[in-house]
Amino acid sequence: QVHLVESGGGVVQPGRSLRLSCVASGFSFSNYAMHWVRQAPGEGLEWVAVISDNGSDKYSAESVKGRFTISRDNSKNTLYLHMNSLRPDDTAVYYCARRYCTPESCHEYFQHWGQGTLVIVSS
Amino acid sequence: EIVLTQSPATLSLSPGERATLSCRASQSVSIYLAWYQQKPGQAPRLLIYDASYRAAGVPARFSGSGSGTDFTLTISSLEPEDFAVYHCQQRSNWPPTFGPGTKLLIK
Repeated sequence: QVHLVESGGGVVQPGRSLRLSCVASGFSFSNYAMHWVRQAPGEGLEWVAVISDNGSDKYSAESVKGRFTISRDNSKNTLYLHMNSLRPDDTAVYYCARRYCTPESCHEYFQHWGQGTLVIVSS
Repeated sequence: EIVLTQSPATLSLSPGERATLSCRASQSVSIYLAWYQQKPGQAPRLLIYDASYRAAGVPARFSGSGSGTDFTLTISSLEPEDFAVYHCQQRSNWPPTFGPGTKLLIK
């Protein structure tokens, strides 16, 4: 059974940094690309970043490019989101998510989600 | 980036009624669209992928249709647990994008 548990959220001042973690279990973590998706309070979902299974390829949304970095440690089954220069509009619940896969292929839909961790950027 | 719009923003129906939710893309996404259900305080749940395929464990009362720019999620007979927010998402063009959601309320 796939299980994703995020941590690291909290209240942080604008301009500061924060690192989110997502520990995965129940599947072979090193075989799957992983994503971060966020949701501002009362708003819709926004894709944030993706990292390939071995960590060699990374892509992020324009809204966070140059400020957020996605990384992973396959030896620890852990996904990270390093967030720098935080702004009030980064306030959101941050979810890690595993994409949808069949035995034949994988696609950029989000089948498995963590419970989310709340980041509040406020002075 | 592809913009998804959803209508209506809010839909009030009674249990047992049929729900029809719409998602429109700013350009063609072929069939590469998914639907998610999200209840308060919970993560989204994948319901439908590639426009019309139900994800594992999703009840048969949920169905999806459409292609190109216009898509529909239909819930044939609403159960009490179906009242939630529904999001659509496209994977046709990078980056993946989501619609703003439709809130399905109990009448």
